[in-house]
Amino acid sequence: SQELEQSPQSLIVQEGKNLTINCTSSKTLYGLYWYKQKYGEGLIFLMMLQKGGEEKSHEKITAKLDEKKQQSSLHITASQPSHAGIYLCGADWSGSARQLTFGSGTQLTVLP
Amino acid sequence: ETGVTQTPRHLVMGMTNKKSLKCEQHLGHNAMYWYKQSAKKPLELMFVYNFKEQTENNSVPSRFSPECPNSSHLFLHLHTLQPEDSALYLCASSQDGATSGRVQETQYFGPGTRLLVL
Repeated sequence: SQELEQSPQSLIVQEGKNLTINCTSSKTLYGLYWYKQKYGEGLIFLMMLQKGGEEKSHEKITAKLDEKKQQSSLHITASQPSHAGIYLCGADWSGSARQLTFGSGTQLTVLP
Repeated sequence: ETGVTQTPRHLVMGMTNKKSLKCEQHLGHNAMYWYKQSAKKPLELMFVYNFKEQTENNSVPSRFSPECPNSSHLFLHLHTLQPEDSALYLCASSQDGATSGRVQETQYFGPGTRLLVL
């Protein structure tokens, strides 16, 4: 099994619905980064979580890091077509933030 | 616009060609990265430069040769590539935590170069 697993691999939702993407690490996380990628383009930074139990929000996107610092969830409220894309989580297991390991990504489609 | 630019955006090359990818960051960062993103595979870290010195090389074949002349520019020189090297090559930059005083520093990515090796 992968050391950093994202689920689901793909998700299709109707506009206005809520959704959650999970990122599970086999090791304790020093930091967990969430990025969004449009197909074939660069990654756009969304949020970084560092402390167990931490929760951050930006517009309609909320990310949490569980207390044991081995899992993070990304929740989108009232999804819009502009939320469509690939969501990637990146794990820092070393504490230096230079060696990030990325998950395989979750492909999100939002139907109008 | 993330402050990290990459050129060219698309590149087609033969296996005997030599080409270079360029990355420039306008964020005042001192660490730069090359990543490879292949179809249906997770993003893979290739090289890390910190203060122009290479600090990480994740077992990348010698046909990929990085160059970092200053903290704002990063190149990836390509020669005698294979078709399996076709991928999206992403550059990123960050402010190294050792100098900022913070452990966690965010990496900001460029738009990538889509490379096709024929």
